[in-house]
Amino acid sequence: EAQVTQNPRYLITVTGKKLTVTCSQNMNHEYMSWYRQDPGLGLRQIYYSMNVEVTDKGDVPEGYKVSRKEKRNFPLILESPSPNQTSLYFCASSPWTAYNEQFFGPGTRLTVL
Amino acid sequence: GESVGLHLPTLSVQEGDNSIINCAYSNSASDYFIWYKQESGKGPQFIIDIRSNMDKRQGQRVTVLLNKTVKHLSLQIAATQPGDSAVYFCAEASNQAGTALIFGKGTTLSVSS
Repeated sequence: EAQVTQNPRYLITVTGKKLTVTCSQNMNHEYMSWYRQDPGLGLRQIYYSMNVEVTDKGDVPEGYKVSRKEKRNFPLILESPSPNQTSLYFCASSPWTAYNEQFFGPGTRLTVL
Repeated sequence: GESVGLHLPTLSVQEGDNSIINCAYSNSASDYFIWYKQESGKGPQFIIDIRSNMDKRQGQRVTVLLNKTVKHLSLQIAATQPGDSAVYFCAEASNQAGTALIFGKGTTLSVSS
């Protein structure tokens, strides 16, 4: 089944404790992206990647890191999480660019205490 | 910065009615527009897209209309069903914005039977 998977689905952590949210797609897509969703603010793009080893900042990259060492994986790294990073995070992929349908993962709900 | 917005945060309709969800965009350079549906607890799901060289595009029970003169986008859902209840997001992309996809804040559609 073609899909985007994220892990973990739920995470409660404390300020300053490094964490990684994994994202994997099995559709051989070039483009991958991370979004955060907050009430009243909609979806905002954090980082995106056009291809392996190519990443770019989205609208709200501060406090996040990403890497794209393999085509199928695009982990989101929070080196020192803070409470304002409490949010619902989505990973998405598309065949080439944002000009294609993006397939979204199920989401990761992160709470930083 | 540029942003995509929706006219109404909520829309309530009766089953069987036609629904129209509106979206205003501010970036005249945007040339690709897309509608997503997000059901509770799930990631956004692609509905339909349209490029700026078109005024109208139809899918199954859905139609997207693009008016570039007034920078307005709408999603029409025919014979709305309870299963259509969800949050609907419009999004835009442009070469000017690189490969980022910018989302609006969403309209919640509630369908009563």
